[in-house]
Amino acid sequence: AQTVTQSQPEMSVQEAETVTLSCTYDTSESDYYLFWYKQPPSRQMILVIRQEAYKQQNATENRFSVNFQKAAKSFSLKISDSQLGDAAMYFCAYRSKGNAGGTSYGKLTFGQGTILTVHP
Amino acid sequence: GAGVSQSPSNKVTEKGKDVELRCDPISGHTALYWYRQSLGQGLEFLIYFQGNSAPDKSGLPSDRFSAERTGGSVSTLTIQRTQQEDSAVYLCASSLGRYTEAFFGQGTRLTVV
Repeated sequence: AQTVTQSQPEMSVQEAETVTLSCTYDTSESDYYLFWYKQPPSRQMILVIRQEAYKQQNATENRFSVNFQKAAKSFSLKISDSQLGDAAMYFCAYRSKGNAGGTSYGKLTFGQGTILTVHP
Repeated sequence: GAGVSQSPSNKVTEKGKDVELRCDPISGHTALYWYRQSLGQGLEFLIYFQGNSAPDKSGLPSDRFSAERTGGSVSTLTIQRTQQEDSAVYLCASSLGRYTEAFFGQGTRLTVV
């Protein structure tokens, strides 16, 4: 079974600065998806960015980018020019491609989350 | 609808009562997930439906929990004989296929008193 670990329960950053959130995962699969989700106090989960394992190029979405190290099974999120609206809980997630018809096919597994505080 | 809809938004129930939580996924989405989130904690996987495949029930914490998905669309999560430790936010998500991102509802906050 796949596991996802976020070792930073809490992080803080000054507005306009850069912060990196860590995520590691464990899998025996070679092809899969990785995601970062944001959960603000409204508790609505919002997709921030996704990465396909077979793509070597790191994904970017405006101020959000990832550092995907497949061999190390690491998937960190970098937030540049942090804004007050970035304050939220961030979850790293792994999506299995598994075997067609298997019960784990497409299963989404989350890390424990990192609470990000942005200071003005 | 435009997004994943969950009802009710909040539910207060007495210990020992049964509750049903409903999830309406985005139309056409074949995959549906239920997660549980205790206050300030991560997401605990409960159950996963993918098309017509047998659901992955490996996350259900006890036999008091069950879920069904009718007609490949609406899903109901049922908790029988609720306990105080069942108090949490229950989140539902759906996705178009096996590889696309999941879209979440706003959750049902369950409080067992």
